[in-house]
Amino acid sequence: SQTIHQWPATLVQPVGSPLSLECTVEGTSNPNLYWYRQAAGRGLQLLFYSVGIGQISSEVPQNLSASRPQDRQFILSSKKLLLSDSGFYLCAWSVNQGGSYEQYFGPGTRLTVT
Amino acid sequence: QKEVEQDPGPLSVPEGAIVSLNCTYSNSAFQYFMWYRQYSRKGPELLMYTYSSGNKEDGRFTAQVDKSSKYISLFIRDSQPSDSATYLCAMRNTGGFKTIFGAGTRLFVKA
Repeated sequence: SQTIHQWPATLVQPVGSPLSLECTVEGTSNPNLYWYRQAAGRGLQLLFYSVGIGQISSEVPQNLSASRPQDRQFILSSKKLLLSDSGFYLCAWSVNQGGSYEQYFGPGTRLTVT
Repeated sequence: QKEVEQDPGPLSVPEGAIVSLNCTYSNSAFQYFMWYRQYSRKGPELLMYTYSSGNKEDGRFTAQVDKSSKYISLFIRDSQPSDSATYLCAMRNTGGFKTIFGAGTRLFVKA
């Protein structure tokens, strides 16, 4: 069966510091990968998605970036965090084939920028 | 107008009640409809997935899609305290990679 891991689970970082969140998927090959941010009382905001190694699409212009160095690894980064970057960050995967669109989420990383 | 509207609640019901959760949407191109359950401080968990209009049942859960009204529902029968969570609707059209999520309805089931 497939599993998705995210770390760290929680993170407190000062404004202006760098960020690196990691997500890995097991039990599947060539998945579509997604990064979302969830703010309190609001829906999931899609930040980035990737259909393959090195292929990243950005949905929202911001100071965050994403990379996919390996097939089942997805990394979210920032060079300098802003207060507004605080939130619950979720990684998700879906099968990379036509007709299957369900997304499966990781446990999330709660980021607090102070 | 948001693409997906979902009442944030909270919705509080007694144990054993039938719960009805709903979303409306504006994009008639949406074909795939999903419901996720999210416990506090956890990632969303896929509950139900339906294509186009109609009903789908899985245990105590029933998902309904009415494309003519652009309205989807999730019914929970014999609700339990363990059903207390936030329920997110989600939908997308054919192709592309973007799933649109509702803001979620917070449900409390009291013992």
